[in-house]
Amino acid sequence: GAGVSQSPSNKVTEKGKDVELRCDPISGHTALYWYRQSLGQGLEFLIYFQGNSAPDKSGLPSDRFSAERTGGSVSTLTIQRTQQEDSAVYLCASSLDSWTRDTQYFGPGTRLTVL
Amino acid sequence: AQSVTQPDIHITVSEGASLELRCNYSYGATPYLFWYVQSPGQGLQLLLKYFSGDTLVQGIKGFEAEFKRSQSSFNLRKPSVHWSDAAEYFCAVGVRETSGSRLTFGEGTQLTVNP
Repeated sequence: GAGVSQSPSNKVTEKGKDVELRCDPISGHTALYWYRQSLGQGLEFLIYFQGNSAPDKSGLPSDRFSAERTGGSVSTLTIQRTQQEDSAVYLCASSLDSWTRDTQYFGPGTRLTVL
Repeated sequence: AQSVTQPDIHITVSEGASLELRCNYSYGATPYLFWYVQSPGQGLQLLLKYFSGDTLVQGIKGFEAEFKRSQSSFNLRKPSVHWSDAAEYFCAVGVRETSGSRLTFGEGTQLTVNP
């Protein structure tokens, strides 16, 4: 079946602009995760959704970052007033549910470049 | 807090040679351990995972890993490397918290394969 998809694959924006990154999880997966991969920081957890529960936002680096998940499926990560340090690859993953043993399947990522 | 250390940032091996990538973790409870591979421009692909039971775990593409609790290690091995194995490899520990679950990743090891 189809894997996790993300759009756009690449995004170039100017400092101060807002951006939206989209993630389509695998159908039937109730858990959805956002990670950020950047030079010097490795792979960082950002936020996690499980079904209709309140998301775990503890990894978001600042209040400029937010995410929502509509209808328990598609998720959008929004970065307001982008800064150059936001440049990174943003990875989305999904799993059957939030149980740690469930494999997280990753999308190809969105490469964000802030000029 | 949990952490994962991959001591080798970059490893170069010849095609056909054996490979061992090191991973050490720090986590207070029983760890759930994963190895992912990332090829250029691709998302993360799961190679193998350890939850419990047999400490030698077999994965895809001929990879295996051995969990050693006494050494807090989960090293990845392959007896004969192929040129297509050139990629970045990430070790991760799955953490179950009251608010949900997430993966904590190591910094990654970049593998170069010489012909």
